[in-house]
Amino acid sequence: GAVVSQHPSWVICKSGTSVKIECRSLDFQATTMFWYRQFPKQSLMLMATSNEGSKATYEQGVEKDKFLINHASLTLSTLTVTSAHPEDSSFYICSALKGRGKNMNTEAFFGQGTRLTVV
Amino acid sequence: DAKTTQPPSMDCAEGRAANLPCNHSTISGNEYVYWYRQIHSQGPQYIIHGLKNNETNEMASLIITEDRKSSTLILPHATLRDTAVYYCIVSTGGSNYKLTFGKGTLLTVNP
Repeated sequence: GAVVSQHPSWVICKSGTSVKIECRSLDFQATTMFWYRQFPKQSLMLMATSNEGSKATYEQGVEKDKFLINHASLTLSTLTVTSAHPEDSSFYICSALKGRGKNMNTEAFFGQGTRLTVV
Repeated sequence: DAKTTQPPSMDCAEGRAANLPCNHSTISGNEYVYWYRQIHSQGPQYIIHGLKNNETNEMASLIITEDRKSSTLILPHATLRDTAVYYCIVSTGGSNYKLTFGKGTLLTVNP
């Protein structure tokens, strides 16, 4: 397997503030990372695809100005929830793609998730 | 939308094999079948994936039908720690890789 580390594991913030979540691939380089959100008793919902050195691709209905994604290196992507509100409280999960390009045999490895609570 | 269909829940006795089915009747020729599981309040864990041949690793076996329209994940000797939601997902590999999660199957392993 491969290791993806997410930080922090949980965070509580005040409404109106911004929160940054880091996702690191520890033992492989990941040109592509994904960010998901999961509400209680629901499945994971893909928010955006993050590509190293280029702009992220957001899924329909996800506000790119609210959820800022930066993928500045081959091992780090960050998600910043700007001006957070209570409805942004959720479990945020990243994954990093191992293998790319012409190699069709790829697999993604997930971080442990970040529990965000906005009060 | 997810392109797979799984039963919402299954039960299995500890020590017995757990066979989790997945229907993916609209799978295209270049799409792989991936299996992940999620234990409560954790990130999903990769289990196995395959294209058309059966696959086996230290965690599980993946049996894909010849027409590739369905597959079965087999946990040969289920333990209590295998209780989780299991997701079957189809996706192309490479630069078009994208995992879209459905509702999965909640597998409960009973003592």
